[in-house]
Amino acid sequence: GDQVEQSPSALSLHEGTDSALRCNFTTTMRSVQWFRQNSRGSLISLFYLASGTKENGRLKSAFDSKERRYSTLHIRDAQLEDSGTYFCAASASSSFSKLVFGQGTSLSVVP
Amino acid sequence: NAGVIQTPRHKVTGKGQEATLWCEPISGHSAVFWYRQTIVQGLEFLTYFRNQAPIDDSGMPKERFSAQMPNQSHSTLKIQSTQPQDSAVYLCASSLDWGNTGQLYFGEGSKLTVL
Repeated sequence: GDQVEQSPSALSLHEGTDSALRCNFTTTMRSVQWFRQNSRGSLISLFYLASGTKENGRLKSAFDSKERRYSTLHIRDAQLEDSGTYFCAASASSSFSKLVFGQGTSLSVVP
Repeated sequence: NAGVIQTPRHKVTGKGQEATLWCEPISGHSAVFWYRQTIVQGLEFLTYFRNQAPIDDSGMPKERFSAQMPNQSHSTLKIQSTQPQDSAVYLCASSLDWGNTGQLYFGEGSKLTVL
């Protein structure tokens, strides 16, 4: 079936530094979503992209518009509250198709 | 907007008992999804409904699991004869039926523990 390969699986950042997470897709995807799972287990939607890039504060996400085979999430000026597990999820068809999730990136931001 | 509401937040059952989990989607959302999350398997799709009709249940175990959406304000996931391997966090999500907007909003999940 469709696979989503997310990297890295774990990441430790010092406050104020920048980094990027990446998801590769084994097939062409129509859309991608990025989530952060907090300590309560809630999956908070960060971005939904059908193409191009979106930015929200210190977070920026891009979806490869050409072949639609990868997406990235950039974190700028990491803060302690950014710690958590980040998931990408992609859909191989439009709208209401099921999302296939990556395995997650456990991010720890340290002082 | 209260978001997606799931109950109970935690449920402990004995092996062989039945467990029913409830989900109230965001008002006005017409697509409802169920996912399961475990340490080993990660997040797995189970089933989804659109306008209360079951559309895709390809992720549902064929035996013991069933899902329903009797009205637009709630969906249930029922597990009969629960087994320890059913222990997981069951997550419900909803999405607005508006063109190609497929953004999902998740509830906080129901953590099922089967002893």
